[in-house]
Amino acid sequence: QVQLQESGPGLVKASGTLSLTCVVSGGSISSSNWWNWVRQPPGKGLEWIGNVYFSGTANYNPSLQNRATISVDTSKNQFSLEVTSVTAADTAVYYCARVQRYFEYLVFDSWGQGTLVAVSS
Amino acid sequence: DIQLTQSPSFLSASVGDRVTITCRASRDISTYLLWYRQIPGKAPQVLIYGASTLQRGAPSRFTGGGSGTDFTLTINFLQAEDFATYYCQQLKTYPYTFGQGTKLKIK
Repeated sequence: QVQLQESGPGLVKASGTLSLTCVVSGGSISSSNWWNWVRQPPGKGLEWIGNVYFSGTANYNPSLQNRATISVDTSKNQFSLEVTSVTAADTAVYYCARVQRYFEYLVFDSWGQGTLVAVSS
Repeated sequence: DIQLTQSPSFLSASVGDRVTITCRASRDISTYLLWYRQIPGKAPQVLIYGASTLQRGAPSRFTGGGSGTDFTLTINFLQAEDFATYYCQQLKTYPYTFGQGTKLKIK
């Protein structure tokens, strides 16, 4: 049973850079899965940020206007998220999640518990 | 981007009731749709994938249907743990998008 755990600062200053890491246990990050970041502002809905494959290939949501970078470290079995030039609108619970292929379908089948990041002025 | 619109946004029901939530996509997504239940303070839990396939470990009282642009999630015989927020999500194209959510409350 794969498990994911997010870690990183809970408070970031406005205009600074948000950095989070997701450690994968119980499975290899080099398996044929995509590794994702999703966020949820307090009291609001879910937003997909982007994903990365173990090869380093990444995809992003254009809504973040090129401020997000997702990278993978196979030697540590983890992947990371950086968001630059943060504002109060980036305050959210950040989740990491695995997407696995089930026949022809992709499924977000494993999630971390989430970590709250607040942006201070 | 593909927009997903859920209805209703809020729903009141009682334990033992049957409820249905709908999700409409702004364009054809075939059956590349997931449904989640999110309990406050917890990560979303996938219930249905492929629009109608029950995820392993999800209770059988959850049923998904639809294809193209119109989808439904039906919950039979509501249990206490079902009073939560439900989201649909499309994985047809990037960026993956979610519906705005449906909050199910106890009447």
